[in-house]
Amino acid sequence: KAGVTQTPRYLIKTRGQQVTLSCSPISGHRSVSWYQQTPGQGLQFLFEYFSETQRNKGNFPGRFSGRQFSNSRSEMNVSTLELGDSALYLCASSLELDKVTGELFFGEGSRLTVL
Amino acid sequence: LAKTTQPISMDSYEGQEVNITCSHNNIATNDYITWYQQFPSQGPRFIIQGYKTKVTNEVASLFIPADRKSSTLSLPRVSLSDTAVYYCLVVMNSGGYQKVTFGTGTKLQVIP
Repeated sequence: KAGVTQTPRYLIKTRGQQVTLSCSPISGHRSVSWYQQTPGQGLQFLFEYFSETQRNKGNFPGRFSGRQFSNSRSEMNVSTLELGDSALYLCASSLELDKVTGELFFGEGSRLTVL
Repeated sequence: LAKTTQPISMDSYEGQEVNITCSHNNIATNDYITWYQQFPSQGPRFIIQGYKTKVTNEVASLFIPADRKSSTLSLPRVSLSDTAVYYCLVVMNSGGYQKVTFGTGTKLQVIP
């Protein structure tokens, strides 16, 4: 069974640009969540999608957005990039149908560098 | 705003038992606590999950005291391959929504 796949693995952008990251969950998983990991702030929850609807949201500005498609694949977008957005962005999928209990399966992440 | 804190780092010799504590205030009786292991350049990997008393699986144990203000991950007889960063995760249920909070992470170094 294939794991969570994230693309691209690495990317470099400049300030003011926007970026879109993609995540394909484990087959059969309908919950997809996104996280930002930085040395200074650690692992922070961005948002969670289930059945194409954003179900939970962390404390990030509106520049960070996401969506989920009918096949459960998800994308996240960051607009007007800032230097502080440089991070490892992790996607995780879960079997849970009614709530996030914390048993998550993570991809290897997309490392974004903003110059 | 609830804080979830862990010791920054720990050292242990091979073969010893390691206990890593996570302090998490303000969690309810049905809020889950989960522990993850992360190696460099990889995503976190699930270790164990529970919401009360004690849970044990083939690789670890999780202890949650009655006051639920902390939890302890116990790794029996660690080996060099257990050198990694360990994170606790608390999912708090509130008004039909979930607040997902990772701990600050503990870097475990296993020494031969």
